[in-house]
Amino acid sequence: DQQVKQNSPSLSVQEGRISILNCDYTNSMFDYFLWYKKYPAEGPTFLISISSIKDKNEDGRFTVFLNKSAKHLSLHIVPSQPGDSAVYFCAASAGGGGTSYGKLTFGQGTILTVHP
Amino acid sequence: GAVVSQHPSRVICKSGTSVKIECRSLDFQATTMFWYRQFPKQSLMLMATSNEGSKATYEQGVEKDKFLINHASLTLSTLTVTSAHPEDSSFYICSARRLLPFYEQYFGPGTRLTVT
Repeated sequence: DQQVKQNSPSLSVQEGRISILNCDYTNSMFDYFLWYKKYPAEGPTFLISISSIKDKNEDGRFTVFLNKSAKHLSLHIVPSQPGDSAVYFCAASAGGGGTSYGKLTFGQGTILTVHP
Repeated sequence: GAVVSQHPSRVICKSGTSVKIECRSLDFQATTMFWYRQFPKQSLMLMATSNEGSKATYEQGVEKDKFLINHASLTLSTLTVTSAHPEDSSFYICSARRLLPFYEQYFGPGTRLTVT
């Protein structure tokens, strides 16, 4: 049961343009969402997060949008740079304490390639 | 801040031997650390949640007697793969969670385990 889905395995974008990475989830208990960037043979690097009480969070070139009714979030990167080329994972977490507290469920990842 | 280290970065061992992987939070205290496994071209799969001073909580399907986890201090968790077999070969990644914001996990660089 894939509770967090990234349906696009890859995305190719021209340098300077906008990159939009999408993520869908099914578990309505998720209340915190994160985006990570990962290079091969390295650990993920935290990029940006958003709480379910918000619908937008911005940090520099990165903006995450959350549509709770659609159970959908997206990461916008503007402007895209060649150094942004990596695998991007969205992750979700459910609060409420108990054994699920703080556990992250990851999507399958989207390979972003930014061409010069 | 929020640096997590892992040691070793790569290890090759013979089938039947045990291997210990260390995860350290270098500049913050982590009451909770997580251990993940990543297969090629796949997402990160949570193996277990490690809480300082208590027993680890394992995800369904993960053999607790095979993957021993010890969280001896607020900055160190270890994963020991006992009686390793070739199918245990994988990329193992740990993460540490800060107290606040409590959902954000910071990942180590990963350990590539190859069992021959």
